[in-house]
Amino acid sequence: GENVEQHPSTLSVQEGDSAVIKCTYSDSASNYFPWYKQELGKGPQLIIDIRSNVGEKKDQRIAVTLNKTAKHFSLHITETQPEDSAVYFCAAHTGANSKLTFGKGITLSVRP
Amino acid sequence: NAGVMQNPRHLVRRRGQEARLRCSPMKGHSHVYWYRQLPEEGLKFMVYLQKENIIDESGMPKERFSAEFPKEGPSILRIQQVVRGDSAAYFCASSPSQRGNTGELFFGEGSRLTVL
Repeated sequence: GENVEQHPSTLSVQEGDSAVIKCTYSDSASNYFPWYKQELGKGPQLIIDIRSNVGEKKDQRIAVTLNKTAKHFSLHITETQPEDSAVYFCAAHTGANSKLTFGKGITLSVRP
Repeated sequence: NAGVMQNPRHLVRRRGQEARLRCSPMKGHSHVYWYRQLPEEGLKFMVYLQKENIIDESGMPKERFSAEFPKEGPSILRIQQVVRGDSAAYFCASSPSQRGNTGELFFGEGSRLTVL
């Protein structure tokens, strides 16, 4: 089955700096890669996603890039703000499967 | 539109009791997924259901755990004879389509089970 890995487990940046979070996946058949943000005590919220037919997608301060050859994808957050502090999960989805496989998550801390 | 509704938000049980967690999907969604999250861990898939059907239960423990999504009413995740290791946050997500046409899941706020 699919295996999604996220490293490191924590990331701390200064407010205003950029943050990059990387994930790798194992199943070359995976074709949908969402990113979720989870704030303390809440459920995961979809913030951006990308499909395998594109290499990059941007939505205001966040962007996602996908390298299918290397089987990795990254979340980029520019001009970070304290409210960006949360746990971020990447996931991969294969058309043949019925579930999303998640990475373990990374805790992003934005220092004021 | 109301989002995915889960209740109870917090549940405390003693070892050996039963826990029932309920999930109402978003309006128009007919596919429900249950995930478990342990402290400091990611989201682990448990089960995927459509109305009256279990599609994929590969992540469900073989004993004590069961799930259903009846024709009428919410989806129920049932844990019998709970043990301390069952303490976790249980998240429900819904999707308007089965597979990767979207793959997009919308999550509820979770039910946090504590077993004493």
